[in-house]
Order: sequence, then structure tokens, then C-alpha cells
Amino acid sequence: EVQLRESGGGLVQPGRSLRLSCTASGFAFDDFAMHWVRQVPGKGLEWVSGATWNSGKIGYAGSVKGRFTISRDNAKKSLHLQMNSLTTEDTALYYCVKDLFSGNSVGEAVFDLWGQGTMVTVSS
Amino acid sequence: EIVLTQSPATLSLSPGERATLSCTASQSVRDFLAWYQQKPGQAPRLLIYDVSNRATGIPARFTGSGSGTDFTLTISSLEPEDFAVYYCQQRINWPLFGPGTKVEIK
Repeated sequence: EVQLRESGGGLVQPGRSLRLSCTASGFAFDDFAMHWVRQVPGKGLEWVSGATWNSGKIGYAGSVKGRFTISRDNAKKSLHLQMNSLTTEDTALYYCVKDLFSGNSVGEAVFDLWGQGTMVTVSS
Repeated sequence: EIVLTQSPATLSLSPGERATLSCTASQSVRDFLAWYQQKPGQAPRLLIYDVSNRATGIPARFTGSGSGTDFTLTISSLEPEDFAVYYCQQRINWPLFGPGTKVEIK
């Protein structure tokens, strides 16, 4: 079955760190760019970060640049998001998302497969 | 920075009616415009990419059109399962989503 499964969310205090993980199955993971997209419950969607198939190109939203780090392990079909210096503004449901295209750009993404998300709550 | 606006914010229609959703970009995004559907408690689903290309498994009642800055998603005849929130997304720059249009049952 083609799917993405996120893990690692939870409740964390402001200023602390959290590491999200995503495991893929059912498709050639190393052929596609992968991304993280987040959504505050009841609100809209925000692209967070993406990495091309070989991590040759990586991008971040301005709101997380310098605090979040995306990485991937193609052998393990996994994607990760290291989140440091968390603030209450980072509270959201974080989706792991596959890119439709297997190109070499992170910015030109179309999101064709989504996980169910993992909730991150930043609160004291 | 490109800004996407969607109108209307809420569309109240009955099953069987035609839905017309708009997405406007603050500057040209060429044909790099996609549409997603999100139902309560579910992840978004890709409907249309690059203005008018339906994603795998998307019914023909969903049609995308437009170019440059003005785009439209048309649902020709609403089915009960089509009542949801719809987001547009541009990819000419970093990925950016519009604020969404909620299609609700009248």
C-alpha cells in the first residue's frame, strides 16, 4: 500500500526541540522530493521544508529557517524534521508529503501523497 | 512575495449544483497552480495540478482553468462527498497555499 506515516509529535515546552519522522511505503522513495507541510487546526496550510531525492537541494519557509533541519535516509525510506527553538507559533499538525515530480527542484512542488499528520503542541 | 487570494471564503450550494471557486495570484504564476480538497479530519488530497491536469483518480466533474494570475476550479455537479475546503497552491516560487474556500451544503 502506498502510504506515509508520521511519528514523533507531542507536547513540548517553548525553546525545546523535537524530531519528527516519516516512513514511506509502496513507492520508490528515492525517486521523489519530499516535504513537510503544517496546518494549525482549523486554519490553512503552510509549506515548511522540502528536500530533493538526494538532498542535493533543500528549502525552508522563512518562519522556520535556521531552526528546523530536514533530512532523509533513502535506504530506510524515511524523512525527518529536526525542530529546535520551538515557539508557540510552531504548534500545528505536521504532514509528511510526497512530491508528484521527481525533478531537481524543491520550490516547484506539487503534493500528491500526504500522511495523516503528527500533532506538535508547544506550550509551557 | 506572491500572495494567493481565494473567493468566496464560503460557498453554500446544494448537491447537483455547479460550484465555481476562484484563486487569484498577486503576480503571474504562469501555469504552476494546483488545487487540493480537504475534508474534516483528513489530510488534503491533490485534485488538479498545473492549472488543468487532474490527478490520478480524480473524477471528471472537477475542472481547472485559468492562466497567469486568475484561476478557477469548477465542480460541474456537486456530489455529497464534494462538500469540503478547497485550497489553491502556487509553485512558481516556494510552495504557497491560498487561504481556502469552504463549500458547504445549503
